[in-house]
Amino acid sequence: GQQVMQIPQYQHVQEGEDFTTYCNSSTTLSNIQWYKQRPGGHPVFLIQLVKSGEVKKQKRLTFQFGEAKKNSSLHITATQTTDVGTYFCGQGAQKLVFGQGTRLTINP
Amino acid sequence: GAVVSQHPSWVICKSGTSVKIECRSLDFQATTMFWYRQFPKQSLMLMATSNEGSKATYEQGVEKDKFLINHASLTLSTLTVTSAHPEDSSFYICSAGTGGTYGYTFGSGTRLTVV
Repeated sequence: GQQVMQIPQYQHVQEGEDFTTYCNSSTTLSNIQWYKQRPGGHPVFLIQLVKSGEVKKQKRLTFQFGEAKKNSSLHITATQTTDVGTYFCGQGAQKLVFGQGTRLTINP
Repeated sequence: GAVVSQHPSWVICKSGTSVKIECRSLDFQATTMFWYRQFPKQSLMLMATSNEGSKATYEQGVEKDKFLINHASLTLSTLTVTSAHPEDSSFYICSAGTGGTYGYTFGSGTRLTVV
């Protein structure tokens, strides 16, 4: 089935710095979803993007869906220690298949 | 919002025994549920789609005779790891939902250790 490639695998930042993770697909996606998994926890749904070029914001988080619907990004402005976790993109019409995830660690 | 309950949260079993994990949708009916496996520091790998009243659909490479899935009601799916071996030790997690605007809701996961 379709797979999305997610980069980077790891990202370590100083608190207050920005963070971005990217998902790329070789084929057009019907939609893309983003989840956050805290250490030791389970994935929690953040957002779904459906439209070409769509941009959505949740406080310090900005989600984008590419014009060709083959890539997406999640950007966090001015990271805080509560942002620590692994961020996954996922796609699929009738089942959710995850990217590899980006683990974010933050130096306070 | 949608709540998915998963039990047990952790289990230790002896090699060769079977372990059953339950996944319940508490405030909604789920004709479809999903089972994932996650090894340490890795992504969640979809194992199978659990279909209420019919056979589960397994992903490529997942042994259906080893990972038995039963979805007998609209609120309960079970995953049984049969004849467990140490290599089956992992974090198993279920999810349910429509996958649309509200995404999928995940259970809290079951950490299985086979000794």
